[in-house]
Amino acid sequence: EAQVTQNPRYLITVTGKKLTVTCSQNMNHEYMSWYRQDPGLGLRQIYYSMNVEVTDKGDVPEGYKVSRKEKRNFPLILESPSPNQTSLYFCASSTPNRGHEQYFGPGTRLTVT
Amino acid sequence: QKEVEQDPGPLSVPEGAIVSLNCTYSNSAFQYFMWYRQYSRKGPELLMYTYSSGNKEDGRFTAQVDKSSKYISLFIRDSQPSDSATYLCAMTAQGGSEKLVFGKGTKLTVNP
Repeated sequence: EAQVTQNPRYLITVTGKKLTVTCSQNMNHEYMSWYRQDPGLGLRQIYYSMNVEVTDKGDVPEGYKVSRKEKRNFPLILESPSPNQTSLYFCASSTPNRGHEQYFGPGTRLTVT
Repeated sequence: QKEVEQDPGPLSVPEGAIVSLNCTYSNSAFQYFMWYRQYSRKGPELLMYTYSSGNKEDGRFTAQVDKSSKYISLFIRDSQPSDSATYLCAMTAQGGSEKLVFGKGTKLTVNP
Protein backbone atom coordinates (compact mmCIF):
# COMPACT_ATOMS: atom_id res chain seq x y z
CA GLU A 1 0.00 0.00 0.00
CA ALA A 2 1.32 3.42 -0.99
CA GLN A 3 1.71 5.49 2.12
CA VAL A 4 3.55 8.05 4.18
CA THR A 5 4.28 6.96 7.72
CA GLN A 6 5.23 9.09 10.71
CA ASN A 7 6.51 8.16 14.12
CA PRO A 8 5.67 8.74 16.84
CA ARG A 9 2.00 9.63 16.41
CA TYR A 10 1.81 11.28 19.80
CA LEU A 11 4.61 12.78 21.87
CA ILE A 12 4.71 14.74 25.08
CA THR A 13 8.08 16.17 26.01
CA VAL A 14 9.69 18.90 28.06
CA THR A 15 11.31 22.13 26.98
CA GLY A 16 14.85 21.68 25.69
CA LYS A 17 14.85 17.90 25.25
CA LYS A 18 15.93 17.10 21.70
CA LEU A 19 13.54 15.01 19.68
CA THR A 20 13.18 13.59 16.19
CA VAL A 21 10.00 12.83 14.30
CA THR A 22 10.54 10.33 11.54
CA CYS A 23 8.84 10.31 8.15
CA SER A 24 9.06 7.60 5.52
CA GLN A 25 7.35 7.13 2.15
CA ASN A 26 7.23 4.06 -0.08
CA MET A 27 6.20 5.75 -3.33
CA ASN A 28 9.71 6.66 -4.53
CA HIS A 29 8.74 10.34 -4.41
CA GLU A 30 11.46 12.95 -4.89
CA TYR A 31 9.68 15.75 -3.02
CA MET A 32 9.01 15.67 0.70
CA SER A 33 7.78 18.38 3.07
CA TRP A 34 7.03 19.03 6.69
CA TYR A 35 4.03 21.10 7.79
CA ARG A 36 2.61 22.18 11.08
CA GLN A 37 -1.10 22.72 11.60
CA ASP A 38 -2.37 25.09 14.27
CA PRO A 39 -5.91 26.27 15.02
CA GLY A 40 -6.64 29.54 13.28
CA LEU A 41 -3.38 29.40 11.33
CA GLY A 42 -3.93 26.41 9.06
CA LEU A 43 -1.18 24.37 7.45
CA ARG A 44 2.21 26.04 7.22
CA GLN A 45 5.26 24.59 5.55
CA ILE A 46 8.34 24.17 7.75
CA TYR A 47 10.91 22.66 5.39
CA TYR A 48 10.90 20.85 2.11
CA SER A 49 13.27 18.67 0.13
CA MET A 50 13.39 18.28 -3.62
CA ASN A 51 15.70 15.26 -3.50
CA VAL A 52 18.42 13.56 -1.50
CA GLU A 53 20.72 16.12 0.15
CA VAL A 54 18.58 19.01 -1.19
CA THR A 55 16.53 20.86 1.42
CA ASP A 56 15.15 24.36 1.77
CA LYS A 57 13.23 26.46 4.24
CA GLY A 58 9.52 26.86 4.11
CA ASP A 59 7.48 29.55 5.82
CA VAL A 60 8.21 28.71 9.46
CA PRO A 61 11.64 27.02 9.72
CA GLU A 62 12.85 28.58 12.98
CA GLY A 63 13.62 26.00 15.64
CA TYR A 64 13.59 23.03 13.25
CA LYS A 65 16.16 21.04 11.32
CA VAL A 66 15.79 18.42 8.62
CA SER A 67 17.99 16.03 6.71
CA ARG A 68 17.47 13.96 3.60
CA LYS A 69 20.11 11.26 3.41
CA GLU A 70 17.85 8.70 1.78
CA LYS A 71 15.08 9.22 -0.72
CA ARG A 72 12.42 7.56 1.38
CA ASN A 73 13.15 9.25 4.73
CA PHE A 74 12.84 12.87 5.83
CA PRO A 75 13.19 13.28 9.62
CA LEU A 76 12.24 16.47 11.44
CA ILE A 77 14.53 17.43 14.29
CA LEU A 78 13.73 19.77 17.17
CA GLU A 79 17.04 20.34 18.91
CA SER A 80 15.64 22.41 21.78
CA PRO A 81 11.84 22.24 21.72
CA SER A 82 9.83 25.08 23.21
CA PRO A 83 6.13 25.28 24.13
CA ASN A 84 5.35 27.32 21.00
CA GLN A 85 6.27 24.23 18.98
CA THR A 86 3.31 22.39 20.42
CA SER A 87 1.39 21.52 17.28
CA LEU A 88 0.16 18.87 14.88
CA TYR A 89 2.87 17.96 12.38
CA PHE A 90 2.42 16.43 8.96
CA CYS A 91 4.90 14.99 6.54
CA ALA A 92 4.00 14.93 2.84
CA SER A 93 5.51 13.66 -0.39
CA SER A 94 4.95 14.18 -4.10
CA THR A 95 6.58 13.74 -7.49
CA PRO A 96 8.20 16.42 -9.64
CA ASN A 97 5.74 18.24 -11.91
CA ARG A 98 2.89 17.12 -9.66
CA GLY A 99 3.75 19.02 -6.53
CA HIS A 100 0.11 19.99 -6.21
CA GLU A 101 -0.73 16.33 -5.47
CA GLN A 102 0.78 15.87 -2.06
CA TYR A 103 0.38 12.67 -0.07
CA PHE A 104 0.20 13.32 3.64
CA GLY A 105 1.14 11.17 6.57
CA PRO A 106 -1.24 10.59 9.50
CA GLY A 107 0.23 13.35 11.63
CA THR A 108 2.24 13.63 14.85
CA ARG A 109 0.71 15.48 17.76
CA LEU A 110 3.50 17.08 19.77
CA THR A 111 3.08 18.70 23.16
CA VAL A 112 6.01 20.56 24.70
CA THR A 113 5.61 21.46 28.38
CA GLN B 1 -4.33 40.75 2.95
CA LYS B 2 -3.72 37.02 3.34
CA GLU B 3 -2.73 35.17 0.17
CA VAL B 4 -5.60 32.72 0.62
CA GLU B 5 -8.75 33.37 2.61
CA GLN B 6 -11.16 30.65 3.61
CA ASP B 7 -14.13 30.91 5.93
CA PRO B 8 -13.40 28.46 8.76
CA GLY B 9 -17.06 27.82 9.46
CA PRO B 10 -18.09 25.58 11.08
CA LEU B 11 -20.76 24.63 8.60
CA SER B 12 -23.56 22.26 9.57
CA VAL B 13 -26.06 20.96 7.00
CA PRO B 14 -28.69 18.21 6.82
CA GLU B 15 -28.02 15.09 4.80
CA GLY B 16 -28.86 15.60 1.14
CA ALA B 17 -28.11 19.33 1.13
CA ILE B 18 -25.95 21.05 -1.46
CA VAL B 19 -22.81 22.40 0.16
CA SER B 20 -20.79 25.31 -1.16
CA LEU B 21 -17.26 25.91 0.11
CA ASN B 22 -15.23 28.89 -1.05
CA CYS B 23 -11.82 30.50 -1.05
CA THR B 24 -10.52 33.79 -2.30
CA TYR B 25 -6.93 34.57 -3.12
CA SER B 26 -4.79 37.54 -3.98
CA ASN B 27 -1.87 36.10 -5.99
CA SER B 28 -2.71 36.22 -9.69
CA ALA B 29 0.19 33.83 -10.42
CA PHE B 30 -1.68 30.86 -8.95
CA GLN B 31 -2.49 28.33 -11.65
CA TYR B 32 -3.25 25.10 -9.77
CA PHE B 33 -6.18 25.02 -7.38
CA MET B 34 -6.73 22.08 -5.09
CA TRP B 35 -9.23 20.90 -2.54
CA TYR B 36 -7.99 18.63 0.21
CA ARG B 37 -10.25 16.79 2.62
CA GLN B 38 -9.13 16.09 6.15
CA TYR B 39 -11.00 13.71 8.40
CA SER B 40 -10.60 14.03 12.14
CA ARG B 41 -7.23 12.69 13.35
CA LYS B 42 -6.06 12.06 9.78
CA GLY B 43 -3.79 13.77 7.30
CA PRO B 44 -5.24 15.79 4.41
CA GLU B 45 -5.95 13.91 1.21
CA LEU B 46 -6.30 15.41 -2.24
CA LEU B 47 -9.94 15.51 -3.32
CA MET B 48 -9.77 17.44 -6.58
CA TYR B 49 -7.56 19.81 -8.48
CA THR B 50 -8.17 22.22 -11.34
CA TYR B 51 -5.65 23.84 -13.61
CA SER B 52 -6.39 27.47 -14.48
CA SER B 53 -10.03 28.50 -14.84
CA GLY B 54 -13.12 26.40 -15.34
CA ASN B 55 -15.09 23.60 -13.79
CA LYS B 56 -14.24 20.04 -12.93
CA GLU B 57 -16.71 17.41 -11.83
CA ASP B 58 -16.10 14.14 -10.02
CA GLY B 59 -19.20 12.34 -8.89
CA ARG B 60 -20.99 14.48 -6.33
CA PHE B 61 -18.15 17.01 -6.22
CA THR B 62 -17.67 20.00 -8.52
CA ALA B 63 -14.73 22.38 -8.35
CA GLN B 64 -14.97 25.82 -9.94
CA VAL B 65 -12.27 28.40 -10.52
CA ASP B 66 -12.93 32.00 -11.49
CA LYS B 67 -9.53 33.57 -12.01
CA SER B 68 -10.98 36.93 -12.95
CA SER B 69 -12.53 37.18 -9.50
CA LYS B 70 -9.77 35.22 -7.76
CA TYR B 71 -12.41 32.94 -6.32
CA ILE B 72 -12.67 29.16 -6.13
CA SER B 73 -15.51 26.96 -4.99
CA LEU B 74 -16.21 23.35 -4.14
CA PHE B 75 -19.79 22.12 -4.41
CA ILE B 76 -20.96 18.90 -2.83
CA ARG B 77 -24.29 17.56 -4.08
CA ASP B 78 -26.46 15.20 -2.07
CA SER B 79 -24.17 15.55 0.92
CA GLN B 80 -23.66 12.51 3.12
CA PRO B 81 -22.61 12.11 6.76
CA SER B 82 -19.38 10.59 5.41
CA ASP B 83 -18.59 14.00 3.87
CA SER B 84 -18.18 15.43 7.39
CA ALA B 85 -14.59 16.65 7.45
CA THR B 86 -12.48 19.77 7.19
CA TYR B 87 -11.99 20.96 3.62
CA LEU B 88 -8.84 22.89 2.79
CA CYS B 89 -8.27 24.82 -0.39
CA ALA B 90 -4.70 25.04 -1.65
CA MET B 91 -3.02 26.82 -4.51
CA THR B 92 0.30 27.00 -6.28
CA ALA B 93 1.76 28.84 -9.21
CA GLN B 94 3.41 25.78 -10.75
CA GLY B 95 2.47 22.12 -10.93
CA GLY B 96 5.98 21.09 -10.07
CA SER B 97 6.21 23.38 -7.10
CA GLU B 98 6.34 22.16 -3.54
CA LYS B 99 5.13 25.60 -2.50
CA LEU B 100 1.46 25.14 -1.78
CA VAL B 101 -0.45 27.88 -0.01
CA PHE B 102 -3.31 26.51 2.05
CA GLY B 103 -6.48 28.10 3.30
CA LYS B 104 -7.26 27.58 6.96
CA GLY B 105 -9.93 25.00 6.22
CA THR B 106 -13.72 24.86 6.62
CA LYS B 107 -15.14 22.29 9.03
CA LEU B 108 -18.24 20.65 7.59
CA THR B 109 -20.73 18.49 9.47
CA VAL B 110 -23.48 16.67 7.58
CA ASN B 111 -26.24 15.59 9.94
CA PRO B 112 -28.21 12.40 9.24
